[in-house]
Amino acid sequence: EIVLTQSPGTLSLSPGQRATLSCRASQNVGSKYLAWYQQKPGQAPRLLIYGASSRATGIPDRFSGSGSGTDFTLTIIRLEPEDFAVYYCQQYGSTLPWTFGQGTKVEVK
Amino acid sequence: QVHLRESGPGLVKPSQTLALTCNVSGDSISSEKYYWNWIRQSPGKGLEWIGYVHSSGNTHYNPSLKSRVTMSADTSKNHFSLRMTSVTAADTAVYFCARSSLEPTTRWFDPWGQGLLVTVSS
Repeated sequence: EIVLTQSPGTLSLSPGQRATLSCRASQNVGSKYLAWYQQKPGQAPRLLIYGASSRATGIPDRFSGSGSGTDFTLTIIRLEPEDFAVYYCQQYGSTLPWTFGQGTKVEVK
Repeated sequence: QVHLRESGPGLVKPSQTLALTCNVSGDSISSEKYYWNWIRQSPGKGLEWIGYVHSSGNTHYNPSLKSRVTMSADTSKNHFSLRMTSVTAADTAVYFCARSSLEPTTRWFDPWGQGLLVTVSS
């Protein structure tokens, strides 16, 4: 099983600041098999990024993803009030089970 | 637009069987292009993929749950189901259904159902 470790656990920032979230995999995930999701309280996760760097439909361009192999990053430039949420990475490669990271909470400082 | 919605009992007694259904609208689960997944979220374990079912009947389960889980797809009703036997308090979670594509590079989860809280308690 591929273990995904996200850091930091919590990120305390102000609106307008830049957020950098990390996701590290215990095995090579490749460059195409990593997704990022945003989850707000009481809601299902929402797809933000797939293929490590492609934005899903309707996702603003202040969200960007990068990385390959075992190290991936989600960057949010200029945080908007609606961006304060929990973010999860997920691998969907050929190694099952598909797994999620434990999440990074982006909170208002 | 594709919508998924989970349904089933919100309370299950320990040792009994949890049975949930995901109703799909805006798409046909008969499509060969997709897997239909169950995912759960508990405070203790975060997000956990439970497994998938394909319209062909092909299934794949998380090894951690494989001995207790069965998934099936009913194409006549356009829904798919999850059964989990011998539940304990550790199975208390919000259960989500979600779609993923068959193509290996496109197997992310989208869309998701709204989620259903299932509590295991006597």
